[in-house]
Amino acid sequence: AQSVAQPEDQVNVAEGNPLTVKCTYSVSGNPYLFWYVQYPNRGLQFLLKYITGDNLVKGSYGFEAEFNKSQTSFHLKKPSALVSDSALYFCAVLSSGTYKYIFGTGTRLKVLA
Amino acid sequence: NAGVTQTPKFQVLKTGQSMTLQCAQDMNHEYMSWYRQDPGMGLRLIHYSVGAGITDQGEVPNGYNVSRSTTEDFPLRLLSAAPSQTSVYFCASSYMQGSSYNSPLHFGNGTRLTVT
Repeated sequence: AQSVAQPEDQVNVAEGNPLTVKCTYSVSGNPYLFWYVQYPNRGLQFLLKYITGDNLVKGSYGFEAEFNKSQTSFHLKKPSALVSDSALYFCAVLSSGTYKYIFGTGTRLKVLA
Repeated sequence: NAGVTQTPKFQVLKTGQSMTLQCAQDMNHEYMSWYRQDPGMGLRLIHYSVGAGITDQGEVPNGYNVSRSTTEDFPLRLLSAAPSQTSVYFCASSYMQGSSYNSPLHFGNGTRLTVT
């Protein structure tokens, strides 16, 4: 069965510091991995995805994520956090050949000025 | 460009009532899906569709019906509302191309449903 784990309910980071939001996954077959961000009272917005190729993928708003097959992880990173990055972040996985996204439980990122 | 439009934004139902949550997209996306978002549980897939006339169940389909008569619309029906269906509901769509589906989802802004 497919699953996604986001082990931290909340991550606090000071503005200007690097940030990491963790995600691990379990799928049978090749994984397609995604990060989404949700601002209050809004739907989710796509940030970036890993399909194949380079393990480091770059996305919107300066975010990037590193795919690590041996650790089955896809952590979201940003070199320098902004207060405006404060939001709820979701990792999601889609197993190759299926149409069912599985989402993690979300991590609330708080960037402190 | 409207994207994915969900109506209503808020709804309060009494136990046993029925209602339809509307979802429309203007991007000609083949794939459409419904999720519910509950605290501590993330988003869970209710039903999805890969084209007009084709629907399938997700992770939590019980108590919900869907149909897809057009590419643009994918309504979600609650047949007999229960307090356990109190949640925020999101509709999402994406294009499908090639032999392997891996497109990112476009989300609506959600419907907040309370069942008393």
